[in-house]
Amino acid sequence: EVQLEQSGAEVKKPGESLKISCKGSGYIFTSYWIGWVRQMPGKGLEWMGIIYPADSDTRYSPSFQGQVTISADKSISTAFLQWNSLKASDTAMYYCARKRLISARIDYWGQGTLVTVS
Amino acid sequence: QSALTLPASVSGSPGQSITISCTGTSSDVGGYNYVSWYQQHPGKAPKLMIYDVSHRPLGVSNRFSGSKSGNTASLTISGLQAEDEAHYYCSSYSASSTLEFGGGTKLTVL
Repeated sequence: EVQLEQSGAEVKKPGESLKISCKGSGYIFTSYWIGWVRQMPGKGLEWMGIIYPADSDTRYSPSFQGQVTISADKSISTAFLQWNSLKASDTAMYYCARKRLISARIDYWGQGTLVTVS
Repeated sequence: QSALTLPASVSGSPGQSITISCTGTSSDVGGYNYVSWYQQHPGKAPKLMIYDVSHRPLGVSNRFSGSKSGNTASLTISGLQAEDEAHYYCSSYSASSTLEFGGGTKLTVL
C-alpha cells in the first residue's frame, strides 16, 4: 500500500527555522516526484514545488522560490520542506504529494502537517 | 491570486447535476491534456476525482466526469448526493511551475 507519512504538527515563533518531512512507502520512492502543497487557514491549495528523489532535481513554483527549500534523502525515502526564518504568514497546513513531473495527477497525498507560527 | 479561475460556490439539489468550470490559459489548461480535479472535505486531505481531463481513478463514482474545451476544463457531477458536498479544486500542468491549482469551489447540496 502506497503511503506518504508526514511529520507531526509544529508550533514555532517568528524567525525560527523548521524542517518537516514526508516519508514514502509501498512504492519505489525514486520513481516518482514528490511535491509540496500549502493550504492556509480557510483558503485553497497552492503548489509550492517538486523534487525528484533519484537525483534531487527540484523545481519551485515562482511564488515560493527563495522562500522555502525542498530536499530529499533517497536512502530513507523521505522528502523535506524547510524554512530558515518563519513568518506568521507561513501558518498553514502543508501536504506532500506524489506526482509525475509532466502531469497534474496527484494520486497519493500525505495526511498533512500543520505549522503554526506565533 | 490563483492561475486557474473557478466559481467560488455552486449548489444543487439531491439528484440534480452540476458543472464546475475551470478557466486557464494556453500555457496551462489549453496547452496540455493534464487537468485533474480534487475533492476536499473539511479537515481532510484532497482526493483525486478526475485526471488527464476525463479519466476516473479506480473507486471514484461514474457520477463524476470531466471534459475540456480550449482553455476551460469542466467537472460534472450527476445525481448529486449529500456526500458530494465539499470543496473542489482543478489543477493543470504548467511548464513554468509544474502545476497550477484553481482557487476552489464550494459545492453545497441543498
